[in-house]
Amino acid sequence: GQNIDQPTEMTATEGAIVQINCTYQTSGFNGLFWYQQHAGEAPTFLSYNVLDGLEEKGRFSSFLSRSKGYSYLLLKELQMKDSASYLCAVMDSNYQLIWGAGTKLIIKP
Amino acid sequence: GAVVSQHPSWVICKSGTSVKIECRSLDFQATTMFWYRQFPKQSLMLMATSNEGSKATYEQGVEKDKFLINHASLTLSTLTVTSAHPEDSSFYICSARDITADSGNTIYFGEGSWLTVV
Repeated sequence: GQNIDQPTEMTATEGAIVQINCTYQTSGFNGLFWYQQHAGEAPTFLSYNVLDGLEEKGRFSSFLSRSKGYSYLLLKELQMKDSASYLCAVMDSNYQLIWGAGTKLIIKP
Repeated sequence: GAVVSQHPSWVICKSGTSVKIECRSLDFQATTMFWYRQFPKQSLMLMATSNEGSKATYEQGVEKDKFLINHASLTLSTLTVTSAHPEDSSFYICSARDITADSGNTIYFGEGSWLTVV
């Protein structure tokens, strides 16, 4: 079966760095997405990785290793507004999105 | 495995016809489901909130007469794109809220449905 694993919850301190991991087992791979979702709002697109390596975009970076079925989202200089759920989703060979359950990130002052 | 399932995964329809997309919660009851539209590498755009047994709540700018939503049971919501046009071609995603005590109001997403209007 297809599976996406990410931690349920993480806690970090304002100003610090946090890494949210995502491992996947899917039938085929056509890219991995990271989304941020604040409670009651639609998910916001953060990144898309289809090739191995690190993609940096401001305070957020996303890494992909296809051979390991592994990705992480790195958030630097954490701000209180970064408190949200972070969703990892993989597009499989049929171009369907397989979603992780999301990681709730709690930022403490 | 998936807890929210969409059907069909892919659909092609002719311009002017209507097409229905189903969203089912497989392991739980969902009084609330959400319909989104996704453009490539962009955020999910919330189209409407579907409430079981009542009318859907549409977001500003979404035509309710074009995108008909029916949430007739606690496990099924449908989105019907009426009089489809090529600009309606997109990836449509649904999500469902599991309101049971154990889930803590978790929202699960469907696999998405690709609509191509020709």
